[in-house]
Amino acid sequence: DTGVSQNPRHKITKRGQNVTFRCDPISEHNRLYWYRQTLGQGPEFLTYFQNEAQLEKSRLLSDRFSAERPKGSFSTLEIQRTEQGDSAMYLCASSLRAEGNTGELFFGEGSRLTVL
Amino acid sequence: GQNIDQPTEMTATEGAIVQINCTYQTSGFNGLFWYQQHAGEAPTFLSYNVLDGLEEKGRFSSFLSRSKGYSYLLLKELQMKDSASYLCAETTGGFKTIFGAGTRLFVKA
Repeated sequence: DTGVSQNPRHKITKRGQNVTFRCDPISEHNRLYWYRQTLGQGPEFLTYFQNEAQLEKSRLLSDRFSAERPKGSFSTLEIQRTEQGDSAMYLCASSLRAEGNTGELFFGEGSRLTVL
Repeated sequence: GQNIDQPTEMTATEGAIVQINCTYQTSGFNGLFWYQQHAGEAPTFLSYNVLDGLEEKGRFSSFLSRSKGYSYLLLKELQMKDSASYLCAETTGGFKTIFGAGTRLFVKA
């Protein structure tokens, strides 16, 4: 098991451009989460999936953000028309939701976005 | 929404004991996690409480009171490597996990 993998690890883009991040979760995990984290803050919930179904998207998230998990395995997070305020670390986590399991999150190393 | 409150920063001495408190909203509660996050790294799981009481795991223990919406993380025999952020996180009925802002712990010699 190679753990949760995210790419790219770093992305520098100009304001107004679109960016896409990919997350490959631990293979047997059915839950996948996206968080955003800025310096000195905890991870801020963006959205999560059970298999291919998106269960919830944060109300704080604008329509510029979209996420998919088309086959219930990897997921992508797209940000359209990026703004400087989107600069942050985007963290993906996966978990196994099953009876008797704590559902602890396993995080990837994150994708750091810098919007110029 | 859910409000999770924990102190912003704490400082403690190597070898000492430190307790990091966390309060959370009780509606829809389904579990309380603590994660450790070193600077520049991803969070890693420390502990999980779903029932009232104390869970002990080596130098780390975590306590939960569901009626009070309160938890704490207890770190014993502090080591320099324990300097990190400690994140309190609540899981709700849909198993969505929400994090607090984290407590930065500085361990000094």
